[in-house]
Amino acid sequence: GAVVSQHPSWVICKSGTSVKIECRSLDFQATTMFWYRQFPKQSLMLMATSNEGSKATYEQGVEKDKFLINHASLTLSTLTVTSAHPEDSSFYICSARDRFSPGQETQYFGPGTRLLVL
Amino acid sequence: GQQVMQIPQYQHVQEGEDFTTYCNSSTTLSNIQWYKQRPGGHPVFLIQLVKSGEVKKQKRLTFQFGEAKKNSSLHITATQTTDVGTYFCARGSGGSNYKLTFGKGTLLTVNP
Repeated sequence: GAVVSQHPSWVICKSGTSVKIECRSLDFQATTMFWYRQFPKQSLMLMATSNEGSKATYEQGVEKDKFLINHASLTLSTLTVTSAHPEDSSFYICSARDRFSPGQETQYFGPGTRLLVL
Repeated sequence: GQQVMQIPQYQHVQEGEDFTTYCNSSTTLSNIQWYKQRPGGHPVFLIQLVKSGEVKKQKRLTFQFGEAKKNSSLHITATQTTDVGTYFCARGSGGSNYKLTFGKGTLLTVNP
């Protein structure tokens, strides 16, 4: 149980285009999902917390107009990187908390999406 | 959020040797979680520690939470090549606005 999928697993795009990444909880409901970015050989940096049915909460320094987050259902959150530039190239990982396990505070991670902007 | 300091940054061992990574905080932790990320993979949850002085074991892995709840450690006995990866500790913020803050991780490599 507790499987999180991400699509696509990798994407190469031209500078200036927008890229949408999907994060799905496959066998549980997630009122809260999280989006992280990880540069090579570095730690995971939280970008934003995605809340089902409401606006996302962005971490300091993360542009909300550039990284659009939509959490339209209990099993799906999307991250859209708008007008992507080479410096946006990174490994984007989502995670989700099980709605019915509030005490556990465990986050289940998706497999990640590798974005390369040319 | 509050940072957690993790040391060492890298550790190379011979297969069969033990390995330990440490996680430290200047403030009291409500809980600490440990994750493993294989090269090219994504973080996989290992364990969560909540209680002061807590010790949990998973086969060759031993996790400890300090009495003051400001530090934690992960110890691997008799490492194997399958243990290769980066081990992250992460502090939970607690409360309704819950989120994780990750340490920088310890990259473990094992020489067969």
